[in-house]
Amino acid sequence: DSGVTQTPKHLITATGQRVTLRCSPRSGDLSVYWYQQSLDQGLQFLIQYYNGEERAKGNILERFSAQQFPDLHSELNLSSLELGDSALYFCASSGNRGINEQYFGPGTRLTVT
Amino acid sequence: AQSVTQLGSHVSVSEGALVLLRCNYSSSVPPYLFWYVQYPNQGLQLLLKYTTGATLVKGINGFEAEFKKSETSFHLTKPSAHMSDAAEYFCAVSDRNTLTFGKGTMLLVSP
Repeated sequence: DSGVTQTPKHLITATGQRVTLRCSPRSGDLSVYWYQQSLDQGLQFLIQYYNGEERAKGNILERFSAQQFPDLHSELNLSSLELGDSALYFCASSGNRGINEQYFGPGTRLTVT
Repeated sequence: AQSVTQLGSHVSVSEGALVLLRCNYSSSVPPYLFWYVQYPNQGLQLLLKYTTGATLVKGINGFEAEFKKSETSFHLTKPSAHMSDAAEYFCAVSDRNTLTFGKGTMLLVSP
């Protein structure tokens, strides 16, 4: 158990809909990262937040957005969903500034039908 | 910019055989290096890391990796494979700001 929690575990929704994925980092970790993992694209970094502020952006679509709240939990919002958005979405957290050792949650499996 | 290359998307070994998963990296600063393992339908779990100091790093489940600066490599080894080692393995490099993952190597273990 990494200490990172993600909800929900599974999500099935229709094209055009909007969903919110939630992540709670390990106790004390200030950084949260979001990744998308699919068979064709592999593991893709989406976005990082550090103590409530956006720190780095990766291959995140404009239809996707994230935020980190004062209690350090984070949410990833996916809108206007397309079939190709079906994937595993992972959250990771890190507390070691500079080393960037990340601990991953169990993931949310999103299926868009 | 930094990058990671994992040679072989799939590696097959027999139970009891040596496991060798290859990782080469590029980094403009002295790197921090990691190996993660992902079992089916689970998140990534940290196996081991190299930051500074001893270049041979031991991790969980009997795995180890050696940082070779001259070869820009960080290969993962285990002397004797077990059926439970079947999983996908990811090498990653950090330049202090971002963590970049390789594409992963699926380890298949046959009895």
